[in-house]
Amino acid sequence: KQEVTQIPAALSVPEGENLVLNCSFTDSAIYNLQWFRQDPGKGLTSLLLIQSSQREQTSGRLNASLDKSSGRSTLYIAASQPGDSATYLCAVRPNTDKLIFGTGTRLQVFP
Amino acid sequence: ETGVTQTPRHLVMGMTNKKSLKCEQHLGHNAMYWYKQSAKKPLELMFVYSLEERVENNSVPSRFSPECPNSSHLFLHLHTLQPEDSALYLCASSHYRVGDYGYTFGSGTRLTVV
Repeated sequence: KQEVTQIPAALSVPEGENLVLNCSFTDSAIYNLQWFRQDPGKGLTSLLLIQSSQREQTSGRLNASLDKSSGRSTLYIAASQPGDSATYLCAVRPNTDKLIFGTGTRLQVFP
Repeated sequence: ETGVTQTPRHLVMGMTNKKSLKCEQHLGHNAMYWYKQSAKKPLELMFVYSLEERVENNSVPSRFSPECPNSSHLFLHLHTLQPEDSALYLCASSHYRVGDYGYTFGSGTRLTVV
């Protein structure tokens, strides 16, 4: 059974720091891995999608890596800003097409 | 707008009411999904529709009844809900079992059962 774990559960940092959020999954048979952002009470916004054959994806200050064999992904946020404060969710799409989510990392960036 | 639109954004209903949640996508996707997000829990998959056919029912109580009249629209009909059904209900769309695509989510409906 696929399980997705995210650490840390919560993170509070001053503005300007570079951050690393971690995601691990137990079954490497996946189509892809997707990172989402969720603001309180809102829906999910897709940040980055990494195919199983890819090693990383970049979008602006965000960089996500994937090591499928070890069941790990990291989301790197450069030069964090207060507007980055949100919950970050990692989800894997296994071959059965059930998107499996982690419990998220709640990030707070203070000025 | 994300390409997936959900209405209403907020809903308060009594346990004897009947209401419906609506989801619409204009991304050309052929699969649509209902997820439930409760406090302190990971998102839970409820239903999967591919080409208007329900392909997944994740042991959801019968008081939740989905309907997919076409590939662009998805409904979740609610009746005789319980207070523990209060949650954020999220709709998503994608291409069924096509790994090149990610999921696109709507903004959700915040449901409160009183």
